[in-house]
Amino acid sequence: EVQLVESGGGLVQAGRSLRLSCTASGFTFGDYAMSWFRQAPGKGLEWVGFIRSKASGGTTDYDASVKGRFTISRDDSKNIAYLQMNSLKTEDTAMYYCTRVLVTSSSSYFDYWGQGTLVSVSS
Amino acid sequence: IVLTQSPATLSLSPGERATLSCRASQSVSDYLGWYQQKPGQAPRLLIFDTSNRATGIPARFSGSGSGTDFTLTISSLEPEDFAVYYCQQRSGWPPEVTFGGGTKVEIK
Repeated sequence: EVQLVESGGGLVQAGRSLRLSCTASGFTFGDYAMSWFRQAPGKGLEWVGFIRSKASGGTTDYDASVKGRFTISRDDSKNIAYLQMNSLKTEDTAMYYCTRVLVTSSSSYFDYWGQGTLVSVSS
Repeated sequence: IVLTQSPATLSLSPGERATLSCRASQSVSDYLGWYQQKPGQAPRLLIFDTSNRATGIPARFSGSGSGTDFTLTISSLEPEDFAVYYCQQRSGWPPEVTFGGGTKVEIK
């Protein structure tokens, strides 16, 4: 059974940093790209970024709203994906979800999601 | 690419047919997905590449469309189908993933 478990969320002051972890099980983690999303309270879904598998170069892409502040990395030996968040802003307050990426012939979808971890940024 | 979903809210009874729309600001070919989200839960992938059901998704869920206009149809609503539904696309360049604003299917 595929499982994704996020951790590391909490209350943090604006300008500080936080690192989220996503621990995966039930599949060959290293074979898959992984992605992070967020959802502010009562709002819709927002993509944060993703990291490709090592076989696909292990490269990353980010939404413009977080580029330069957030960094996604992975440790395939531990089956963990990370989201390092620096220079946090109050508008980064959201539930953060880790997902596995389903790659089809020409696009990407997100077929398994964790339960989320809540990040609250205070001023 | 901007995805616009309509209606914002759909009020229906169990057993009725639900038709949800997603319109893209430019063509996304056949590369559109649909997700269901219930309160307090993570989203769940329903449909990928416009019309393919994800693993474990019941046959009452179907997707159609191409280019800029897409539809998610729930043929006969079950009590567990009342939720918010999002459409999603991924662009190659600039690399981005976008969602529509969502359609809430509520019990009438």
